[in-house]
Amino acid sequence: GAVVSQHPSWVICKSGTSVKIECRSLDFQATTMFWYRQFPKQSLMLMATSNEGSKATYEQGVEKDKFLINHASLTLSTLTVTSAHPEDSSFYICSAREGSNYGYTFGSGTRLTVV
Amino acid sequence: QKEVEQNSGPLSVPEGAIASLNCTYSDRVSQSFFWYRQYSGKSPELIMSIYSNGDKEDGRFTAQLNKASQYVSLLIRDSQPSDSATYLCAVRMDSSYKLIFGSGTRLLVRP
Repeated sequence: GAVVSQHPSWVICKSGTSVKIECRSLDFQATTMFWYRQFPKQSLMLMATSNEGSKATYEQGVEKDKFLINHASLTLSTLTVTSAHPEDSSFYICSAREGSNYGYTFGSGTRLTVV
Repeated sequence: QKEVEQNSGPLSVPEGAIASLNCTYSDRVSQSFFWYRQYSGKSPELIMSIYSNGDKEDGRFTAQLNKASQYVSLLIRDSQPSDSATYLCAVRMDSSYKLIFGSGTRLLVRP
């Protein structure tokens, strides 16, 4: 079945630094990729939708200059958390959709801790 | 009003019982519905998808969809302790393919 690889699985960074998270579709071309954030004991909140070769569409309340998303190819999307602060500590999960396939495949998630 | 609503639980059932999880959604044009299971600290994993009114069965799992009532449910038969997890209902917003999640229901299956 479809596989999405996400890494790193966890990262600790200092406040003020930037962190890049990668999401790769290994055996299919991802028409659209989605980035979610999940705080403890809460559900997944959609941050943005990215389509290959175009700018990401951000959900209301998500700062596009802070959460930079690049979807340069049909198999790779990256999320960069710029100038990270402790309140950005969360579980970030990517998801990929393949063309007309209704299914969505999720990455394994990245646990970000900002100290 | 939230787009996708679930009872947060926890729903506690004894081993071997049927667990019933419910979800309502607000967007009448939604056509695709998904149930995911998420263990603590892990990414969601797909259990079932359903697109048409009625029931869809897959092993111990049955998804039920009623578009008129904007309601989707998941039944887990012969519940096992390993089924203890948070179950997330997700609805695809067809105009944009966005997948919106409910807050999840925590299920506890007692041995």
